[in-house]
Amino acid sequence: DSGVTQTPKHLITATGQRVTLRCSPRSGDLSVYWYQQSLDQGLQFLIQYYNGEERAKGNILERFSAQQFPDLHSELNLSSLELGDSALYFCASSARQNTEAFFGQGTRLTVV
Amino acid sequence: DAKTTQPPSMDCAEGRAANLPCNHSTISGNEYVYWYRQIHSQGPQYIIHGLKNNETNEMASLIITEDRKSSTLILPHATLRDTAVYYCIVRPFSNNDMRFGAGTRLTVKP
Repeated sequence: DSGVTQTPKHLITATGQRVTLRCSPRSGDLSVYWYQQSLDQGLQFLIQYYNGEERAKGNILERFSAQQFPDLHSELNLSSLELGDSALYFCASSARQNTEAFFGQGTRLTVV
Repeated sequence: DAKTTQPPSMDCAEGRAANLPCNHSTISGNEYVYWYRQIHSQGPQYIIHGLKNNETNEMASLIITEDRKSSTLILPHATLRDTAVYYCIVRPFSNNDMRFGAGTRLTVKP
């Protein structure tokens, strides 16, 4: 158990809908990262937050957004969902920006 | 845009050492080498990291060549539970910008 909690574990929704994925980092970790893993793309970095501020952006679509709240939990919002958004979404956290990151068990999103 | 090259797959006999190579010939002086593994579809698990010295922890050893252009992850006594995809990642000192490549799929066989 890494200490990073992601909810829900599974999510099935229809195309065009909007969903919110939640991540609780390890206690005391200030930095949160989101990754997407689809069958044909591998693990893709989406976005990083540090202590509430966005710090790095990767291959995140404009339909996707994220935020980190004052209690340090983070949410990833996915809107106008398409079939191709079906994937595993992982959250990771680290104590600081430059220390090792620990991953949660992921949310499996299926868009039908 | 991963900065590392790994063999796509390797096999290892149970109880033997598994040696997983990684090439990172374009690594710069301000970058670490990190290793993670992913068992089935679970979240990636941190294994070990290093800068230029060899490192060892309870899971594995990391050997980095003197020129830092390649490294080897060693699992000293592989078990069936070590079957996973192993990712070698180069990451800057200052942040956790980790770009995962395809990794090496290690299969430990009885």
